[in-house]
Amino acid sequence: EVQLLESGGGLVQPGGSLRLSCAASGFMFRSYYMYWVRQAPGKGLEWVSGITESGSSTYYADSVKGRFTISRDNSKNTLFLQMNTLRADDTALYYCANIKLDYWGQGTQVTVSS
Amino acid sequence: EIVLTQSPATLSLSPGERATLSCRASQSVSSYLAWYQQKPGQAPRLLIYDASNRATGIPARFSGSGSGTDFTLTISSLEPEDFAVYYCQQRGNWPITFGQGTRLEIK
Repeated sequence: EVQLLESGGGLVQPGGSLRLSCAASGFMFRSYYMYWVRQAPGKGLEWVSGITESGSSTYYADSVKGRFTISRDNSKNTLFLQMNTLRADDTALYYCANIKLDYWGQGTQVTVSS
Repeated sequence: EIVLTQSPATLSLSPGERATLSCRASQSVSSYLAWYQQKPGQAPRLLIYDASNRATGIPARFSGSGSGTDFTLTISSLEPEDFAVYYCQQRGNWPITFGQGTRLEIK
């Protein structure tokens, strides 16, 4: 059974940091690009970041470039998103996804508020 | 960044009717266009990839067409479970982008 289990979300003050994790199982994690997609409350989907199979190349939405860093550990089948200098408009449910196979986690909530 | 504009924002139809949803790209994405369905409290579900290919398990009443900058998702005869929000997504260029969504509601 395929599982993508996100963790690491929570309440953080503006300017703070969080590190999200996504533990994958049930498919060949190391063989696929992986992504983070977020959804602000009552809003649409926003692609945040993507990473190649080996982790050698990474991609970011303009809204997070320079503040967020995506990475992966293929030995542990885990995807990460380091989020720094968080802002109120980063508040969202963050999904980990394998877009090619259409595997999505249930999301982890990030709330940025003082 | 490629901007995807979906229309209409909201579509009110009855079960059994035909639904036509549009997605227009600010520049060509070739055929690298996908459609997703999202229901409240759920992750998105892929319906169509590469503009016209149905994903695994998607009923035949869902079809996609288009290339370049203009794309259409058609639901031939609406079932009660089809009322949801639909997003288009382009994968032809970084950054990947989504449209703002079309809400399909029961009339």
